[in-house]
Amino acid sequence: EVLLVESGGGVVRPGGSLRLSCAAAGFRFDDHGMTWVRQVPGKGLEWVSGITWKGDRTGYEDSVKGRFTISRDNTKNTLYLQMNNLRAEDTALYFCARDGSGPHYRGYMDVWGKGSPVTVSS
Amino acid sequence: SNVLTQPPSVSVAPGQTARITCGGTNIGRNIVHWYQHKPGQAPVLVVYDTTDRPSGIPERFSGSEYANTATLTISRVEAGDEADYFCHVWDSDIDRGVFGPGTKVTVL
Repeated sequence: EVLLVESGGGVVRPGGSLRLSCAAAGFRFDDHGMTWVRQVPGKGLEWVSGITWKGDRTGYEDSVKGRFTISRDNTKNTLYLQMNNLRAEDTALYFCARDGSGPHYRGYMDVWGKGSPVTVSS
Repeated sequence: SNVLTQPPSVSVAPGQTARITCGGTNIGRNIVHWYQHKPGQAPVLVVYDTTDRPSGIPERFSGSEYANTATLTISRVEAGDEADYFCHVWDSDIDRGVFGPGTKVTVL
C-alpha cells in the first residue's frame, strides 16, 4: 500500500522549533518530488515547500523562507520539514504529499498523508 | 502571480450535477489540479492536468477549462461527495504552488 505518515507535530512557544517527518512506504521514494502543504484551522490549503527527488532544488512560500528548511533522506524514505522561529500564524495541520508527475515538485499531488498538527502558542 | 477564486459553497441535490469553478487571470496557461478534502482525512486528487482523472476516481468527476476558468464537474452527485474542493496550479512567475480558497459542496 502506498502510504505517507507524518509525525513530529506538537505545541511549541513562539520562537521555538519543531521538525516534522514524513515516512513513505509502498513506492520508490526517490522517483518523486515531495511537498509540504498546510491548513490553518477553518481555512484552506496553503503550499509551504517542495523538494526535488534528489534534494538538489527546493522552493518555499514567502512567509516561511529563512525559517523553514525542507530536506529528505532517500535511504530512509523520509521527508523532513525543519521549522524554526515559529510564529502563531504557523499554527496549522501540516500535510506531506507526493508529486505524481515525477521527480520535481511542481505537479499534482497524488498521495497525501493525514497530517501532523502544529500549534504555536504562549 | 496567480490569485485563484472559487465560490465559497455549492449546494446540490442527490443525482444532480455540481459545477465548481476556479478563476484566475492566468488559468488559461496553467495546468489545474483538483482535490477533494473531507474533515479528518487526507486530501484526495480527483482531477489532474486540468482534464485527467486518476485511476480509482469515478467517471462522475471531470475537469475542463474555458476562458480563464477551470471547472470541476461532479455528475450524479452522491451523499459521499460532500466535501471541500480545492483547485491548484503551479505559478511559474513566483515559482510556487497556489491553491484556490476552496468550495464547500453540500448535498441536500
